[in-house]
Amino acid sequence: DVKVTQSSRYLVKRTGEKVFLECVQDMDHENMFWYRQDPGLGLRLIYFSYDVKMKEKGDIPEGYSVSREKKERFSLILESASTNQTSMYLCASSLGGANTEAFFGQGTRLTVV
Amino acid sequence: RKEVEQDPGPFNVPEGATVAFNCTYSNSASQSFFWYRQDCRKEPKLLMSVYSSGNEDGRFTAQLNRASQYISLLIRDSKLSDSATYLCAVIRYGNNRLAFGKGNQVVVIP
Repeated sequence: DVKVTQSSRYLVKRTGEKVFLECVQDMDHENMFWYRQDPGLGLRLIYFSYDVKMKEKGDIPEGYSVSREKKERFSLILESASTNQTSMYLCASSLGGANTEAFFGQGTRLTVV
Repeated sequence: RKEVEQDPGPFNVPEGATVAFNCTYSNSASQSFFWYRQDCRKEPKLLMSVYSSGNEDGRFTAQLNRASQYISLLIRDSKLSDSATYLCAVIRYGNNRLAFGKGNQVVVIP
């Protein structure tokens, strides 16, 4: 069974902290994605990766970085968390190429106080 | 202009009725198109891919209009269980960037 696992369902961090959100997939997928989802704004792409150590900026990369040292793991890093980064973060993976289904993790609700 | 645009709604639909909505995309190099379904407090899941010739899956029909750069989703004989947010998604030629619209919220009313 296909599985994308995010390390935490809920997370509370303080302003200025460095935050790591981890995502692991067990499907040997090439592509991995990080989105944030906010009411009224939909799913916005932060970063994606199409191969190990490769990354591309999405629509809203400011304040974030990513790491993909192994194929199955894609980490999102908030260098210095701010209150406007309070959001639902969703990780996804897909096999690659056109017409491939993306599978999502269950999401991490991050609150920055 | 956003890459993928949807009217978020909500769309209040009587049970048994038909509802249709569109999603427009701005980049003519968009290659692949999808509809995802997201239930409240859950992650999105693929509902169906959208093919150039259009495709149907039970009560759901998806169509692609490349000339006008939009895709559509039609739900016939709406069920209460169809209440969800329907997200359209596109992938561009040449890369694997998967972009989503804001979603169409559908509420089926008894």
